[in-house]
Amino acid sequence: GAGVSQSPSNKVTEKGKDVELRCDPISGHTALYWYRQSLGQGLEFLIYFQGNSAPDKSGLPSDRFSAERTGGSVSTLTIQRTQQEDSAVYLCASSLGRAGNEQFFGPGTRLTVL
Amino acid sequence: AQSVTQPDIHITVSEGASLELRCNYSYGATPYLFWYVQSPGQGLQLLLKYFSGDTLVQGIKGFEAEFKRSQSSFNLRKPSVHWSDAAEYFCAVGELGRGAQKLVFGQGTRLTINP
Repeated sequence: GAGVSQSPSNKVTEKGKDVELRCDPISGHTALYWYRQSLGQGLEFLIYFQGNSAPDKSGLPSDRFSAERTGGSVSTLTIQRTQQEDSAVYLCASSLGRAGNEQFFGPGTRLTVL
Repeated sequence: AQSVTQPDIHITVSEGASLELRCNYSYGATPYLFWYVQSPGQGLQLLLKYFSGDTLVQGIKGFEAEFKRSQSSFNLRKPSVHWSDAAEYFCAVGELGRGAQKLVFGQGTRLTINP
């Protein structure tokens, strides 16, 4: 079956522009996670969605970052007024949503802010 | 707050040699522990995980890890490495939330294999 997919695979934008990153989780997975991987900060949690519960936004670095999950499936991470420090690989993962279940990661979106 | 430390940023071993990658965690309760591998240009793949029970866990690709509560460690081992094991390895602790868990990762250890 299909794994987690993300689009675009690469995104180059200018400072100050808004960007949207998309994640398609594995079908049937109730939990969806966003992480960011950068040279300076390593792998860091951003936000997760679990079923119909309110998302855990505790990892979002600023109010320029937001995410939504429509219909319990596809998720979009939006970064407004991008800054150069937002340059990173943004990883999406999904799981069955119970503690201890494996999180399956997508290939990531490499964001470069010029 | 939970944290994970991987003391070795980069390790080089010869093909066929044994391997141990270190991981120390800080967590208030019994942790959910994971090791992931990231090959160049690839996504993260789960090698193994520990929740409870036997403290020595077996994973894919011939890897194993041992949970030692007294040392707050979860070191990854392999008896004989192959050139294809060259990759970056991440240890993570799962922080429980509302029916799911977010992962707190270590900084990663990059493994180079000498022929």
